[in-house]
Order: sequence, then C-alpha cells, then structure tokens
Amino acid sequence: AQTVTQSQPEMSVQEAETVTLSCTYDTSESDYYLFWYKQPPSRQMILVIRQEAYKQQNATENRFSVNFQKAAKSFSLKISDSQLGDAAMYFCAYRSPTTSGTYKYIFGTGTRLKVLA
Amino acid sequence: GAGVSQTPSNKVTEKGKYVELRCDPISGHTALYWYRQSLGQGPEFLIYFQGTGAADDSGLPNDRFFAVRPEGSVSTLKIQRTERGDSAVYLCASSPTLVAGELFFGEGSRLTVL
Repeated sequence: AQTVTQSQPEMSVQEAETVTLSCTYDTSESDYYLFWYKQPPSRQMILVIRQEAYKQQNATENRFSVNFQKAAKSFSLKISDSQLGDAAMYFCAYRSPTTSGTYKYIFGTGTRLKVLA
Repeated sequence: GAGVSQTPSNKVTEKGKYVELRCDPISGHTALYWYRQSLGQGPEFLIYFQGTGAADDSGLPNDRFFAVRPEGSVSTLKIQRTERGDSAVYLCASSPTLVAGELFFGEGSRLTVL
C-alpha cells in the first residue's frame, strides 16, 4: 500500500527567509500525482502545488517550488520569501495513477509551519 | 455555489446517537470525497463518489459509517451508534472529474461525541 511520510512535525522560518518541508512516499507505481496542500486555522485545505510523476521538471507556483526526486521517492516543498500568511499546516499527498483503479488521495501527517516576524 | 459547503460546522452528540453530515460540492463537480481528520493527524480517506455511485469505500472504518449521493450532487455521511472515537473533523472535497487531479475542500464538520 502507498504511504506518505512527513518527518517534520513542526518547522519555523523567519519572515522573508526560505524554508523546505520534507515528504517521502512509498509506491510501486511509476506514474502518479503528488500534491502539497495548505491548511490554515480556518480548516479549509487549499492546493499549493502539484506534480505529475512523468514530468521531470519540478513544478513552481510563484514563491512555492518542489524538489521532486523520483528515484528517492522524495517530494519536498520550498517556500521562498516566507510571509506571515504562510503559517499553516502543510500536507503532502499522493494520488494513484489513472490505471490503478482508484483515485483516492493519501495524505501525510502534516508539518506545522510557523513564520516569525 | 462558490465553494464546497459543509453542514453543520460543529456537531456535539451523545454516545450512541445517529449523526448526519452534509456536503454540497461545487456545482458541476462529478467527484466527491470524504475524509476524516483527527487532532494532529492528516486527513484519512473514507470514501469517494463518481456521480451517484461509491467508487471506493475502502476507508469506511466499519458498518456504522455509510455515505450516499443520490442525485450526484449533495452527499450525506451517516454515522450510526456514535462512539467517542468518532470525534474528529470530517472533510468533504470535490473535483471536476476523477482525473482532474485537484481536490477542492470544504471547511469541515467538527463532530464531538460525548
């Protein structure tokens, strides 16, 4: 079964600095999807960035970028120029390929990011 | 609607009671997911629907949990004979299609079983 591991329960970063959140996953599939979701105190999860495993190029969305290492099954999130509004829980998620017969998303346990003014 | 709507926002019930949690997805979204999130944990998959049918219900913990989506839009998660261990935030998410690859979440329903 696929699993998603986030080994950093909590991280802190100074405002305007850069922080990297780690995520590893386990799968026997070769084509799948990876995501980072942000959950602020309001509880509503918001998609930050997504990566298709067949794409070698790392995804980027403004200040957010990923380091996707397929062989190592690693999918880290880098937040540049951190802002106070970035403070939230961040969840890494895996979704099976379309050929797998299921479209369920598996989430990690999350990393709480604190941004220090 | 503009986003995924979940009601009630908070529900307090007594052990042994029956509870219904409602999810109203984004209009036109065919895929609908239910997750359970316990304190300090990540979302745990329960079930997802494609249209009216439950495509994968492998995450439902036992037969006290049941979900329906009779008209392919609104979904209801039903919990019978609630137990204290059912206390959690129940999250609903929808997606334009199953293949689309992005979930749009509601704010969740916090269930507390006394």
